[in-house]
This record gives sequence, C-alpha cells and structure tokens, in this order.
Amino acid sequence: AQSVTQLDSQVPVFEEAPVELRCNYSSSVSVYLFWYVQYPNQGLQLLLKYLSGSTLVKGINGFEAEFNKSQTSFHLRKPSVHISDTAEYFCARTSGSRLTFGEGTQLTVNP
Amino acid sequence: NAGVTQTPKFRVLKTGQSMTLLCAQDMNHEYMYWYRQDPGMGLRLIHYSVGEGTTAKGEVPDGYNVSRLKKQNFLLGLESAAPSQTSVYFCASSQGSNTGELFFGEGSRLTVL
Repeated sequence: AQSVTQLDSQVPVFEEAPVELRCNYSSSVSVYLFWYVQYPNQGLQLLLKYLSGSTLVKGINGFEAEFNKSQTSFHLRKPSVHISDTAEYFCARTSGSRLTFGEGTQLTVNP
Repeated sequence: NAGVTQTPKFRVLKTGQSMTLLCAQDMNHEYMYWYRQDPGMGLRLIHYSVGEGTTAKGEVPDGYNVSRLKKQNFLLGLESAAPSQTSVYFCASSQGSNTGELFFGEGSRLTVL
C-alpha cells in the first residue's frame, strides 16, 4: 500500500528559529505530494504541493518543501518561524483518486 | 464563501444509536470524501465519491454508510454507533483531479458513550 511517514510527532522550536518537518513516502513511478496545515479546531488547508518540475516548492506563509526522489522524501522547511505557525502539519500523497495522509507533526513555536 | 459545511459540529451518542453527518459544498466539486481523525493516526479515509450517485470504500469503511444523492451533498451514516467511532470527522471536496487541492470542512466531533 502506498504510504506516508512523518518522522516526528512533535517539534518544539523557539520563535524566529528555523524548522524542518520530515516526511518520507513509499516509492512509486509517479507521485504527487502535499503539505497541509491544521490550526486548532479547524479543518486542513493546503500549504503547498509538488506535481512536477522544480524540486523546490514554495507555499504560503513562507514555507517551502523539497522533493527528493532518491531519498523518497518531501521535507517541509521555514527559515524563521512565528508563534502563529503553531499548528499540526500533515504530509500527504496521492493514491489513485485519493489522498493518503501521514500521522501528523505538531509544531509548537515558543516565545 | 461557505465552501464545505458540516453539520452537526458536535454530537454525543449512546452505544447503538444511529446518526447522520451532513456535508454540503458549494464549489460544484465532483469528488467528496469523509475522513476520521484520531490522535497519532492522521486522517484515515472512510468513504469517498467521485460523482453524484457514486460511492466507494476507503481505508476504514466498516460501521459506516454513505450516500451522494445530490452533487453538493455527501452524507455519512452510523447505523449502530460504537465507542470506537468516537472521533473527529472531516468532510472534504475536490475538483476531481488527483493533482488538485482538497477543501475541508471544519470538522464534526462525535462522542459515543
């Protein structure tokens, strides 16, 4: 089965520090990858997606992710986080007409 | 800008009771999905629909039924609720392409006692 693994369940960081949230996916011929963010008591919203082309994908709120085919990874990064980035982040991949999500990473930004 | 609307937002049931969650979208999307979210398990797909009148099973379909009689609505039913179905349920919709974005509702928190 096609799967996604998020390597960290919780990531605490200080404000203005850089952050990386790690995601590995099961290999397949073609894959589309996504990062979603969930703020408290809300639904998920799309941060960014990789469909093809440049391996560095830029998203909203200063986030970016790099598609690495050889490592089967799609890590999410931000050079300087804000308190407002505190949320749960989900990596996802396509599986036919569906999306398969990882377990989620709770990012907590402390002052 | 309603987007995807779920009702009810909260519900408490006793074991064995039945209920229906309603999802409505106003974006004319073809695809609709029901997920459940449990701590440490991410989102797991229950059922989905690729168009009006169609439904298909996801990863965890047991104990749930769905119907898509109208394009804009996707109903999730629990015929005989169990404590294991205590969860937060999310509905989502998309244009239909697997390269597209899913739009999520705000969730429905269900507790089964």
